[in-house]
Amino acid sequence: NAGVTQTPKFRILKIGQSMTLQCAQDMNHNYMYWYRQDPGMGLKLIYYSVGAGITDKGEVPNGYNVSRSTTEDFPLRLELAAPSQTSVYFCASSPLRGPQHFGDGTRLSIL
Amino acid sequence: GQQVMQIPQYQHVQEGEDFTTYCNSSTTLSNIQWYKQRPGGHPVFLIQLVKSGEVKKQKRLTFQFGEAKKNSSLHITATQTTDVGTYFCAGPDSNYQLIWGAGTKLIIKP
Repeated sequence: NAGVTQTPKFRILKIGQSMTLQCAQDMNHNYMYWYRQDPGMGLKLIYYSVGAGITDKGEVPNGYNVSRSTTEDFPLRLELAAPSQTSVYFCASSPLRGPQHFGDGTRLSIL
Repeated sequence: GQQVMQIPQYQHVQEGEDFTTYCNSSTTLSNIQWYKQRPGGHPVFLIQLVKSGEVKKQKRLTFQFGEAKKNSSLHITATQTTDVGTYFCAGPDSNYQLIWGAGTKLIIKP
């Protein structure tokens, strides 16, 4: 099983550019999440979704947008990239009240 | 808001020594989950504890959930180089979203 697949694995952006981080899961989980992890730090929740068509803000949503048109996919959109958004981004999925399964992450640098 | 505190931030041990990380929540938790993140990797689920006073073992790892369901600990006996990484605890809030501790980084001294 592929589990949670994130693309791209690495990306360098210039300040002001936009991009979409892709996330797909094949476990039929209703819940999906986007986190960011700064160097040496813990996980901060950006957005989450409890099912197709439903999204909600986490702790640090500013500068990001998400959509959930299908159960499988949960893309994260960065508009007008800023240096403060340099981080590692993890997508995760879970069943209700179950453990979260993480993708390998996207390492994003904004210069 | 709800907080999950985890200590220590780092622990340096000699290979073969024991390691313990502690997790404290500001509110009573319905369950607590533990994850391990290897350097350069992603968090991987280890275990979930649900019952008050629950103790679970996975080989050299022992997980405990406090009687009041507000604290938890992870103890590793006789650490090995494969144990290196950061250990996170996490507990659900009222919307079932996980509130994460900051993690404890296990470092094996050369």
